[in-house]
Amino acid sequence: QVQLQESGPGLVKPSQTLSLTCTVSGDSISNYGYYWSWIRQHPGGGLEWIGYMSHSGNTYYNPSLQSRVTLSLDTSMKQVFLKLKSVTAADTAVYYCAKVWVGPTSSRYFDPWGRGILVTVSS
Amino acid sequence: SFQVTQPPSVSVSPGQTASIACSGHKLGDKFVSWYQQRPGQSPVLVIYEDKKRPSGIPERFSGSNSGNTATLTISGTQPFDEADYYCQAWDNRVVVFGGGTTLTVL
Repeated sequence: QVQLQESGPGLVKPSQTLSLTCTVSGDSISNYGYYWSWIRQHPGGGLEWIGYMSHSGNTYYNPSLQSRVTLSLDTSMKQVFLKLKSVTAADTAVYYCAKVWVGPTSSRYFDPWGRGILVTVSS
Repeated sequence: SFQVTQPPSVSVSPGQTASIACSGHKLGDKFVSWYQQRPGQSPVLVIYEDKKRPSGIPERFSGSNSGNTATLTISGTQPFDEADYYCQAWDNRVVVFGGGTTLTVL
């Protein structure tokens, strides 16, 4: 069964770039019909979609974060990367990666999710 | 931009039926998914494409979607169903999550 594991620094200084890696096991990230996504959750808050991308390189971002976010992937290493630049304390959150199933027309759903990684932005 | 709205909290007695609503403009024209998140854990998909259950999700969980409202229904609610529940839709290349509903089983 597919498993996802987030990794990266748990502490980032303001104005710097947050960089996270999601490593996928039990599945190929090159298959059609799936995307790979990042989602975050502020402490005590709800879920916020960051973006997702296909193995062919098509990327889709949350308009509110688009100017600061870059997703990329390494199919050979089965890794998906998130970079979020110019971070502030408002970017402190648990960051999840998830597999996105692409269904008919307007169907997009996330399953499974990684365990998440808490990233704190502080000097 | 498209948005979906959930009530902050819903309470239910053990063994009763819990209903959690998710509202948005013409939401019935889109597919809705639902996620359960227990404290300290990652979200888990419980319903996708309005009413389909992933493997391993009990039949007690069901979904519907029509007009402007999607509903997650939990029949015979158990104490371990106590969690936060999030609806999610996709519109014009953007994913939207509801703000989440805390289900309390009293």
